[in-house]
Amino acid sequence: NAGVTQTPKFRVLKTGQSMTLLCAQDMNHEYMYWYRQDPGMGLRLIHYSVGEGTTAKGEVPDGYNVSRLKKQNFLLGLESAAPSQTSVYFCASSYSPGRDQPQHFGDGTRLSIL
Amino acid sequence: GQNIDQPTEMTATEGAIVQINCTYQTSGFNGLFWYQQHAGEAPTFLSYNVLDGLEEKGRFSSFLSRSKGYSYLLLKELQMKDSASYLCAVTNDYKLSFGAGTTVTVRA
Repeated sequence: NAGVTQTPKFRVLKTGQSMTLLCAQDMNHEYMYWYRQDPGMGLRLIHYSVGEGTTAKGEVPDGYNVSRLKKQNFLLGLESAAPSQTSVYFCASSYSPGRDQPQHFGDGTRLSIL
Repeated sequence: GQNIDQPTEMTATEGAIVQINCTYQTSGFNGLFWYQQHAGEAPTFLSYNVLDGLEEKGRFSSFLSRSKGYSYLLLKELQMKDSASYLCAVTNDYKLSFGAGTTVTVRA
């Protein structure tokens, strides 16, 4: 009963490096989301997808790109990491357009940019 | 824009009751979620309100007043395991906007 799985769980990068965070869900959910969580600021939506092959910008999209080539996977990319992107990243998925269907979250990726 | 406010911290004694308030001013509103998040873990769903009134789920209850832009989460018979952050989130279509969270500490 995996639910939403995020890899890696921890990562340390140097400024300017690139990396991709992977999110996989086994619940056949249409909707997937990437958030970042910073102290005192709550969860902020980076990008989201309403189905395979679609992506859209959230509240804080700058510096990130995403892809949803398969329904079960949602990838978040950092092309040139910056210290301001040090954060905990959460992926989430939901079955229907959110109104009464809760989002299910992965365990997070803790990313440090030096 | 989205503005969702909740207190930063609350402390209560084991067995007591705590009420966490959430006020919101958002550009759209379909419903309001409460999530629980233990330190270092993922948020997990607690409750959902779409109509005005009280929803009860065991020791947890959530209230909504859409006209006042106000919700609260009531935790009864507090247990040590209830020490966590509680996140208020407003849904507009398929997007959630979160408050910063309220950290509840339960003391013995």
